[in-house]
Amino acid sequence: GQQLNQSPQSMFIQEGEDVSMNCTSSSIFNTWLWYKQDPGEGPVLLIALYKAGELTSNGRLTAQFGITRKDSFLNISASIPSDVGIYFCAGQSLISNFGNEKLTFGTGTRLTIIP
Amino acid sequence: DVKVTQSSRYLVKRTGEKVFLECVQDMDHENMFWYRQDPGLGLRLIYFSYDVKMKEKGDIPEGYSVSREKKERFSLILESASTNQTSMYLCASSKSDRLYGYTFGSGTRLTVV
Repeated sequence: GQQLNQSPQSMFIQEGEDVSMNCTSSSIFNTWLWYKQDPGEGPVLLIALYKAGELTSNGRLTAQFGITRKDSFLNISASIPSDVGIYFCAGQSLISNFGNEKLTFGTGTRLTIIP
Repeated sequence: DVKVTQSSRYLVKRTGEKVFLECVQDMDHENMFWYRQDPGLGLRLIYFSYDVKMKEKGDIPEGYSVSREKKERFSLILESASTNQTSMYLCASSKSDRLYGYTFGSGTRLTVV
């Protein structure tokens, strides 16, 4: 199946630092999504991007849909302890026969904040 | 509060057992999905369903089957559990509309001994 390359695999930062992570694909996607997974929970949607070149913010989070439609970036400004978790990118593509869509997920970026 | 509910948070099963993982959603979503999550591998799609009694193989269907008899319920079946199926299993659902992402359950951590 399709694979998304997400980097970095893990990050150790101090509270207050900015965070950047990205995702690249060999395939084009119609939509890029970013999810966060808290320990012991399922992933929760943070940001959705629907058009190439789109830049979207959600509080301290900013994400961009790459012009080539093969990549996306997520930035977190001024990190706080509750930002700890695993961040997943996901590309959404059509299941061509039925018009429904499925997600392909990246391998995840584990964010740890050092006291 | 709309949600996806997975019947068990933790399961321990023996090798060779038949295992059922249940997932129920209350959002009237058409699509339902089963993923497994392993460190360094992210989320990998096992099976999905876009309608009652319909199912499609994902990227890693071997050793699994699914059942969707009602719109709100999607079951993952391990016919004969093996130790390499020890993993976190996540169920998700979505509307058939590109404006919506998935809603995930909290996961079932399965250990096969």
